[in-house]
Amino acid sequence: NAGVTQTPKFQVLKTGQSMTLQCAQDMNHEYMSWYRQDPGMGLRLIHYSVGAGITDQGEVPNGYNVSRSTTEDFPLRLLSAAPSQTSVYFCASSLWGPRGNEQFFGPGTRLTVL
Amino acid sequence: KNEVEQSPQNLTAQEGEFITINCSYSVGISALHWLQQHPGGGIVSLFMLSSGKKKHGRLIATINIQEKHSSLHITASHPRDSAVYICAVWVYGGSQGNLIFGKGTKLSVKP
Repeated sequence: NAGVTQTPKFQVLKTGQSMTLQCAQDMNHEYMSWYRQDPGMGLRLIHYSVGAGITDQGEVPNGYNVSRSTTEDFPLRLLSAAPSQTSVYFCASSLWGPRGNEQFFGPGTRLTVL
Repeated sequence: KNEVEQSPQNLTAQEGEFITINCSYSVGISALHWLQQHPGGGIVSLFMLSSGKKKHGRLIATINIQEKHSSLHITASHPRDSAVYICAVWVYGGSQGNLIFGKGTKLSVKP
């Protein structure tokens, strides 16, 4: 199994550009989530999904969009990039929600917005 | 006010030393996760616990629900243990609850 994969690993955008961060898992996990990690702060939840067709907002959803058309894929879209979105983004998955299930993380995407 | 506090923020140890990292939380939980973030950035799950104690190799995690406190211990530390250790607590919200993360403890083990 490849586990959780993310692409790209690095990305530089200009302010106002849009892009999609890809996340895929091959473990048949129902729960998938996106986090951002900023210096001096803990990981913060952006959006999450409890299954195909079901998504919900996390702590910091503004400026991001998600969809879950299949169990495997959970892309994160930046609608109009801003310098405040410069961060490292992690996708994670678990069999069910995070209450009692091990979380599997992707390798991360380092995004810089100029 | 941070809901999940870790201490210390930074920790330097000599190889072989016994390491303790602490996590205190102010939110009610039924599950707590310990994660390890490698120097390269990857994050792996170490433990998930809701009561008592768990052990995996040289790592031991304990939790005291009444005192809202958890500890991660590393016995016979080794330079390869150098990493950031992150505590995360589950809180009720939304359809499946969410994790609230601490800021992490950066551990450096010197040979």
